[in-house]
This record gives sequence, C-alpha cells and structure tokens, in this order.
Amino acid sequence: ETGVTQTPRHLVMGMTNKKSLKCEQHLGHNAMYWYKQSAKKPLELMFVYNFKEQTENNSVPSRFSPECPNSSHLFLHLHTLQPEDSALYLCASSQSNRDRGRVSGNTIYFGEGSWLTVV
Amino acid sequence: GIQVEQSPPDLILQEGANSTLRCNFSDSVNNLQWFHQNPWGQLINLFYIPSGTKQNGRLSATTVATERYSLLYISSSQTTDSGVYFCAVERGGGYNKLIFGAGTRLAVHP
Repeated sequence: ETGVTQTPRHLVMGMTNKKSLKCEQHLGHNAMYWYKQSAKKPLELMFVYNFKEQTENNSVPSRFSPECPNSSHLFLHLHTLQPEDSALYLCASSQSNRDRGRVSGNTIYFGEGSWLTVV
Repeated sequence: GIQVEQSPPDLILQEGANSTLRCNFSDSVNNLQWFHQNPWGQLINLFYIPSGTKQNGRLSATTVATERYSLLYISSSQTTDSGVYFCAVERGGGYNKLIFGAGTRLAVHP
C-alpha cells in the first residue's frame, strides 16, 4: 500500500468507447503524474500536475485527456483509443514546492496501475 | 536527451545470494530514484539518491554523481525480491520529469 489508489485495475474497451481512469492519493502531496508503460518500452511520462495546474504534457495525443479537480484526485479520460494504446497506466504523486511551477526532486510514489486493453 | 542504461538486463539468483545492479547515465543529474516493480505491476520506490549512499534493510544504494553511475545492492536475496528494478533520473529543472532506464529483470529461485 503506497497511499496511491487507482481504479479500475483492469479495463477492456473498444476503439469507439469513452472511459476514464481514476487516481486518488492519501499522502497530502500536491503533485500528481500519469505514466504509460508499454511492453518492451521504458516508462514514459505523460502528464504532470502541480497544485492542480498542468505543468507537463509530454506530446500526448488528444485522445488522452487528463483532469485534476483537486490535489488528491487525478483522472485520465480516454476516447477513440487505438489498439497500440494498450498498456499499463500508472498514476503517481510526490511532495512539491510551489516554486515557479517546479515540483522539485522529491520521492515519487506510484499506484498499482490500470491495465488497459483496447480492442 | 539524457540516456539511462541499466545492467545486467536479466539476472537469475539462488535464494540467499547477493547481487549488484548498475545504472549509468549520460549527463549530470539532480534527481535519481530506484524502483522495484513486482510481477503485478506495482512500482515501489526504494531510494531517492542523487548522490551518496543509503541503506534500507537488505538493500543499499550508492550514487557517484561525478562519475555518472549508481549501484543497487541486494544482499541475502529472497524470492520476494523478484521483479524488475528501474533506475530513473532527472537532469535538472526540478520537475520530477523522470527518465527511466529499461530495467533489470531479477528472478530469485528457492
């Protein structure tokens, strides 16, 4: 138990579906992240939110739409995905400093991940 | 961008053995973290170690920032140590924009 909870743990969706991944952290952190882990590839950072503001979008296609309503919750809305988007999606959080948008190098804690299969 | 290389890519150990995992990075960093990913996908942070040495039970890590490498030591390995070990670094900016290596896959057999 890392204090970061993701739901659902497994999701199968068609290419025309709309679904969402949810992440909640109970650590009092102010920075939250989405990472993607595909087979045979290193983890890739997708989005960073610091104090509810998006500070990083790592050239992610618009079919992935993040939402951060508060510092404890992070969503990833999915629509019209492709089979190659099938992967493990990991949410994470860390302490941060409100310093010109910087998160600072703090220990990062991951959730258990959401296994996504697009058919 | 910065390159992160981990070695060995795969490692098989007998329970009780010791091992050393290595992480080389191509540029100076101000953030380096080691993670263990279990077979179910859960990533656990082991160390935040941009420099120096830290120990936590049977695990310890050393980062020599001037020579651009970090080592993770596992002593008296157990079957629960199996999984993939990742090194991740950030060059600067303090955005926790971690670049991950490809990992070392460890299998510990009883």
